[in-house]
Amino acid sequence: AQTVTQSQPEMSVQEAETVTLSCTYDTSESNYYLFWYKQPPSRQMILVIRQEAYKQQNATENRFSVNFQKAAKSFSLKISDSQLGDTAMYFCARWGDQGAQKLVFGQGTRLTINP
Amino acid sequence: SQTIHQWPATLVQPVGSPLSLECTVEGTSNPNLYWYRQAAGRGLQLLFYSVGIGQISSEVPQNLSASRPQDRQFILSSKKLLLSDSGFYLCAWTTSGSSDTQYFGPGTRLTVL
Repeated sequence: AQTVTQSQPEMSVQEAETVTLSCTYDTSESNYYLFWYKQPPSRQMILVIRQEAYKQQNATENRFSVNFQKAAKSFSLKISDSQLGDTAMYFCARWGDQGAQKLVFGQGTRLTINP
Repeated sequence: SQTIHQWPATLVQPVGSPLSLECTVEGTSNPNLYWYRQAAGRGLQLLFYSVGIGQISSEVPQNLSASRPQDRQFILSSKKLLLSDSGFYLCAWTTSGSSDTQYFGPGTRLTVL
């Protein structure tokens, strides 16, 4: 089965702390994209960061970075210096195998940043 | 730059009434288009996707249907709404044939009473 698993349904940290959200997946492909999306209370889905599997270097976008472990099929998101505006649902996703033209999403992690 | 629009933003409909949600994309040609539904506090459920005009793939059998009458227009419809159709509906697009980023519209909040 083509699955994406986020094992942390909810997380809560204090403002300015660092938090890591976990994601594991399965695939039979060697090259693929992985994504983290953020869904704040407005419910707009916003791309946070993406990783190309053939690139060994972990992607970084300002305070957001990933720890991509291809052999372990792990793709965690690290948020540094967390801010109140980071409070949101976070979804990990990848494209389906064999050219499937649809994304496979994890169940989501609800992250709350406390003041 | 590309933008994606959805309307209406909010809709309250009685059970048994028809539904039409519209999604349009600007600034790109021949995109792949997607309809998702999301229950409150839950994940995304893919309903339909389209790789071209008139080409619709259904992921979940239910009383909803989708159509793509124009290249950058995607419509979600129902002849008779059920209570279980309530939710947040998201439209998304991707460059045709690409496994790159999927971009989402602002969504429609549908309440069926």
